[in-house]
Amino acid sequence: SQTIHQWPATLVQPVGSPLSLECTVEGTSNPNLYWYRQAAGRGLQLLFYSVGIGQISSEVPQNLSASRPQDRQFILSSKKLLLSDSGFYLCAWRVRGEYSNQPQHFGDGTRLSIL
Amino acid sequence: DQQVKQNSPSLSVQEGRISILNCDYTNSMFDYFLWYKKYPAEGPTFLISISSIKDKNEDGRFTVFLNKSAKHLSLHIVPSQPGDSAVYFCAASDFWNTDKLIFGTGTRLQVFP
Repeated sequence: SQTIHQWPATLVQPVGSPLSLECTVEGTSNPNLYWYRQAAGRGLQLLFYSVGIGQISSEVPQNLSASRPQDRQFILSSKKLLLSDSGFYLCAWRVRGEYSNQPQHFGDGTRLSIL
Repeated sequence: DQQVKQNSPSLSVQEGRISILNCDYTNSMFDYFLWYKKYPAEGPTFLISISSIKDKNEDGRFTVFLNKSAKHLSLHIVPSQPGDSAVYFCAASDFWNTDKLIFGTGTRLQVFP
């Protein structure tokens, strides 16, 4: 069966520090991968998605970037964190397939607090 | 502009009764709808989905209804159990953007004994 791993579960970082969150998927090949953020009291907002190695689509212009160095690895980064980057970050995957209706499956998320 | 809306932030239901969670959308291009359940400090778990070619989909205690003319969908949980207490999110996507799920803000369901 497929599993998705995110780490760390919680992170406290000072303003201006760099960020690297990692997500890996097991048990499937060529998944579509996603990064979301959930701010307090709000729904999930899509940040980035990837349909293949090195292919990144950005949904929201901001202080963050994403990379996909390997088929089942997705990384969320920042060079200098802002206070507004605080939130709950979620990685997700789904079966590859353009125009296909398949659900996305989420990891357990990283709670990021910026001080 | 909130394309997917869950206007009830919370719902309280007695164990054994029916829970009905509602979701409205504004984009007529949406053709795939999903419900997710989320416990605190965990990621959302996929519950059930429905394509716009259907108006109902069932999976055990969970049924999703879609009313395209009203741009409304609902999730029915029968019978409700205390373990169903969680935040429920509806989400939608359209044919040309299947990677872009648009989420509602969630409804917190509490099932009491």
